[in-house]
Amino acid sequence: GDSVTQMEGPVTLSEEACLTINCTYTATGYPSLFWYVQYPGEGLQLLLKATKADDKGSNKGFEATYRKETTSFHLEKGSVQVSDSAVYFCAFFLGSARQLTFGSGTQLTVLP
Amino acid sequence: DAGVTQSPTHLIKTRGQQVTLRCSPKSGHDTVSWYQQALGQGPQFIFQYYEEEERQRGNFPDRFSGHQFPNYSSELNVNALLLGDSALYLCASSSLRTGKREQYFGPGTRLTVT
Repeated sequence: GDSVTQMEGPVTLSEEACLTINCTYTATGYPSLFWYVQYPGEGLQLLLKATKADDKGSNKGFEATYRKETTSFHLEKGSVQVSDSAVYFCAFFLGSARQLTFGSGTQLTVLP
Repeated sequence: DAGVTQSPTHLIKTRGQQVTLRCSPKSGHDTVSWYQQALGQGPQFIFQYYEEEERQRGNFPDRFSGHQFPNYSSELNVNALLLGDSALYLCASSSLRTGKREQYFGPGTRLTVT
């Protein structure tokens, strides 16, 4: 079935380190892809999105490129900050589906 | 511009009881989706309401029901609560009428069943 596989956490980095969180999807079609972030005790915030192959979503220094050939949407940031500590979820819509399908989340901790 | 709001923030119930959670969508949005997020997991889709009707449902039993009001706000009802219903319940809104399907989430309601 349709699913999202995320890099398992937790991930611990020092401030200013580079970040990559891997995300691959399995879907019968061409989904719209999203990254959401969840800070402690809060709901999910939409971080970035891409709706077609080769699109690059970006926001707050984070980037992800929709790679149809590898069915991937890896999240990257060149220099993380302590304030980036959160759980990151990869998700997609497929076709006319009304529901988001989420990965299991990746916990990121950034140390000063 | 008010975002998605949910109430209450936290709730403690006993097995077998019933609970109602509430959600007001982001201004300009007409569609509400509900998700259940168990601890350490990604959100799981429960159902979606648009034009006061349930439009799609995930793999949840009939104990989970909902409603959407003319002002687009929504309720999630869970009957005969089980310990396994303990989770964060998230409401998300979007605008199907304008074709903007990206969903914006509220802060959630933390339900604990004892």
